[in-house]
Amino acid sequence: KNEVEQSPQNLTAQEGEFITINCSYSVGISALHWLQQHPGGGIVSLFMLSSGKKKHGRLIATINIQEKHSSLHITASHPRDSAVYICAVGPTGTASKLTFGTGTRLQVTL
Amino acid sequence: NAGVMQNPRHLVRRRGQEARLRCSPMKGHSHVYWYRQLPEEGLKFMVYLQKENIIDESGMPKERFSAEFPKEGPSILRIQQVVRGDSAAYFCASSTTAQGNQPQHFGDGTRLSIL
Repeated sequence: KNEVEQSPQNLTAQEGEFITINCSYSVGISALHWLQQHPGGGIVSLFMLSSGKKKHGRLIATINIQEKHSSLHITASHPRDSAVYICAVGPTGTASKLTFGTGTRLQVTL
Repeated sequence: NAGVMQNPRHLVRRRGQEARLRCSPMKGHSHVYWYRQLPEEGLKFMVYLQKENIIDESGMPKERFSAEFPKEGPSILRIQQVVRGDSAAYFCASSTTAQGNQPQHFGDGTRLSIL
């Protein structure tokens, strides 16, 4: 079993829909990261959080440390949101190499 | 642009050649991480370096792969005698400290193709 599990693997939505991507992890962490990767593109850090909730524009990330679970929400989705969304966890202590989920491929259509 | 700079963006090598991938961290960052993304797979940690030191190379293949981060200049990931299975996207990230709750800033990656 992977240390970081994401669901769903693939997601298709129509423009304007509310989207939720889930991430569960099985190890102790100091922080959880949500990343975005466009096809053939680089990786952009969307959020880093260790508790509660963060919001940036139409994106919201939440984390429940007790349940070892995080969600990424996209409100009023748009075709430009089409990308792979990756959950990653940073371990406790130092030497913060990240462990990644396999990603959720989101396609938003008109 | 003060972001993480990787070059080249694309690199094509024939089997048996050497590949050198470069990463210049963000200004003020002294911690560098290399990750590999194999086709249709998730990202995997390879190595973590600070200036002039390898801190954690637990994700590096034991043979043909090496990394350095000299006092001056970029971090280099070197792959000797490349094979088809080395074809992947290689990403570099940097941070200001080694703490797990610090953000890592990623470069655009180097896409390595082995003919």
